[in-house]
Amino acid sequence: EVQLLESGGDVIQPGGSLRLSCTASGFTSNYAMTWVRQAPGKGLECISGITGGGATFYADSVKGRFTISRDKSKNTLYLQMNNLRAEDTATYFCAKDLVYGDGYWDFENWGQGTLVTVSS
Amino acid sequence: DILMTQSPSSLSASVGDRVTITCRASQNIRSSLNWYQKKPGKAPKFLIYAISNLQSGVPLRFSGTGSGSDFTLTISSLQPEDSATYYCQQGHSTPVTFGGGTKVEVK
Repeated sequence: EVQLLESGGDVIQPGGSLRLSCTASGFTSNYAMTWVRQAPGKGLECISGITGGGATFYADSVKGRFTISRDKSKNTLYLQMNNLRAEDTATYFCAKDLVYGDGYWDFENWGQGTLVTVSS
Repeated sequence: DILMTQSPSSLSASVGDRVTITCRASQNIRSSLNWYQKKPGKAPKFLIYAISNLQSGVPLRFSGTGSGSDFTLTISSLQPEDSATYYCQQGHSTPVTFGGGTKVEVK
């Protein structure tokens, strides 16, 4: 059974940094993975993804501030978030692709999410 | 970036009604169109991929159609548990983008 568990969410001041983790089990590490967030009262936003081969993408809203990475030996996905802003306040979900390998970006499996609050 | 536009933004319908949600992409995304169901406090649920393929375990009352840049999600007979917000999403090119969502209320 596929399981994804996010952690690392916290209350952080503007300008601060935070690293989110997504620990995966039940599948091999060569699936594309993604971070999707939902701000309070807002819709879903895909902010970053990484393919099985390590290629990455970022939404314009986080480019230059956030970095996605993965440790295949630990089957863990990370999101390093720097220079956080109030508008980054959201629940952050990790998601796994439906198909092995290159990113097809069909988000079959999801974690339960971790809350990041950026506030002074 | 590809813009995904959903309509309506919300709707209210009765149990047993047929409900249709539309999604338009700002360019041709071929078959890279997925649908998700989102309930408050829950993770999104993967409903349909590649326009019309029902994910395992999803009730048959859900269906998807479309091509190119215009797509539709239909719930053939609305049930109380279908109360949720529905999102389309394109995986044709990065950055991946979602539609703004359609909130479905069951009367």
